[in-house]
Amino acid sequence: QKEVEQDPGPLSVPEGAIVSLNCTYSNSAFQYFMWYRQYSRKGPELLMYTYSSGNKEDGRFTAQVDKSSKYISLFIRDSQPSDSATYLCAMSKSNFGNEKLTFGTGTRLTIIP
Amino acid sequence: DAMVIQNPRYQVTQFGKPVTLSCSQTLNHNVMYWYQQKSSQAPKLLFHYYDKDFNNEADTPDNFQSRRPNTSFCFLDIRSPGLGDAAMYLCATSRDVGGGTDTQYFGPGTRLTVL
Repeated sequence: QKEVEQDPGPLSVPEGAIVSLNCTYSNSAFQYFMWYRQYSRKGPELLMYTYSSGNKEDGRFTAQVDKSSKYISLFIRDSQPSDSATYLCAMSKSNFGNEKLTFGTGTRLTIIP
Repeated sequence: DAMVIQNPRYQVTQFGKPVTLSCSQTLNHNVMYWYQQKSSQAPKLLFHYYDKDFNNEADTPDNFQSRRPNTSFCFLDIRSPGLGDAAMYLCATSRDVGGGTDTQYFGPGTRLTVL
């Protein structure tokens, strides 16, 4: 069993829809949770960063962590064609610089104009 | 703008011909990482430097080596590339101040093709 599971998609939704992206994990030691956006043939770009359980909002993006269920989500409101990318969840046990990140495989998202 | 820069963006090499990929950063971060990412897969950590201390992942093949001559630069050397080494290679950096939001910042990647 992988430590982090993420549905690879692809996921296609119409412009303006609310998008929900999810990851589950098995290691309860994970404390820090991140979402990265990766455009085709580019490096991952940090979108959201959260610690422990709870919600965090940044513009159209909301990250949600439920540690009791070992489940994290990223919601995108009013989705735009420019949101079309692969979204990778990542997590770590601490936020020290040499701590390894464990990634999901990514969900490929397409927003249809 | 402070950033992570990778050169070249695209590299073509022949089977067995050594290749070096480079990464530089203007963030003055202590930690630099090299990841391998194959199509539709998660980035796979190869190794990282914490300052000058080299940390190799247990499953990184011996074919992959790295050098960090100073804080700003880090190199990935593939001594004898095989067809299975064709991938995107990502460099990332992070600052370590403990207790802060020390997440990783990625460069644009180098796409390696092995012929």
